[in-house]
Amino acid sequence: AQSVTQLGSHVSVSEGALVLLRCNYSSSVPPYLFWYVQYPNQGLQLLLKYTSAATLVKGINGFEAEFKKSETSFHLTKPSAHMSDAAEYFCAVNPQGGSEKLVFGKGTKLTVNP
Amino acid sequence: DAGITQSPRYKITETGRQVTLMCHQTWSHSYMFWYRQDLGHGLRLIYYSAAADITDKGEVPDGYVVSRSKTENFPLTLESATRSQTSVYFCASSDRGRGTEAFFGQGTRLTVV
Repeated sequence: AQSVTQLGSHVSVSEGALVLLRCNYSSSVPPYLFWYVQYPNQGLQLLLKYTSAATLVKGINGFEAEFKKSETSFHLTKPSAHMSDAAEYFCAVNPQGGSEKLVFGKGTKLTVNP
Repeated sequence: DAGITQSPRYKITETGRQVTLMCHQTWSHSYMFWYRQDLGHGLRLIYYSAAADITDKGEVPDGYVVSRSKTENFPLTLESATRSQTSVYFCASSDRGRGTEAFFGQGTRLTVV
């Protein structure tokens, strides 16, 4: 079964520093990939998605992710962290051959220090 | 209000009781999903539905029942609640087509005592 692995359950950065959240997928064919963000006591909100149109995907709030087939990765980055970026981030895959259901990674909690 | 709403937001119930979590969406999306969120596990799919009267099991369906008589509603029932079902439950909906965004409700925090 196709899955995603998020490396690091907790990531801490200083305000203004680069944010890098890692996601690797397991699939022999490129799947559809998503990054969602969850703020405290809220539901999940889509940041960006990869659907094979372009390998570099830009999302909301200055985030972007690059699909690298050779590395089976879809890491999320933001050049300069802001305090408001503190949240939990989930990578998800829409497996090939399946329905529209999503399979989520275990999440990475981002802390931004002043 | 447009969107996807879950009720109740918080629920405390006793072991062995039946409890139903409600989910309502206003977009007429074909697909609806129930996930549970637990520390260390991320979100795991319980059940999903491709259309009214069509439901299928996800990764962790045991102890749960769903129905979908109308496109807009997708209730989740715990027939006999257990402490291991203490969790945060999220309902989501999406249109047809792989790669389509799923929209999530605010979640229901369920505690089984």
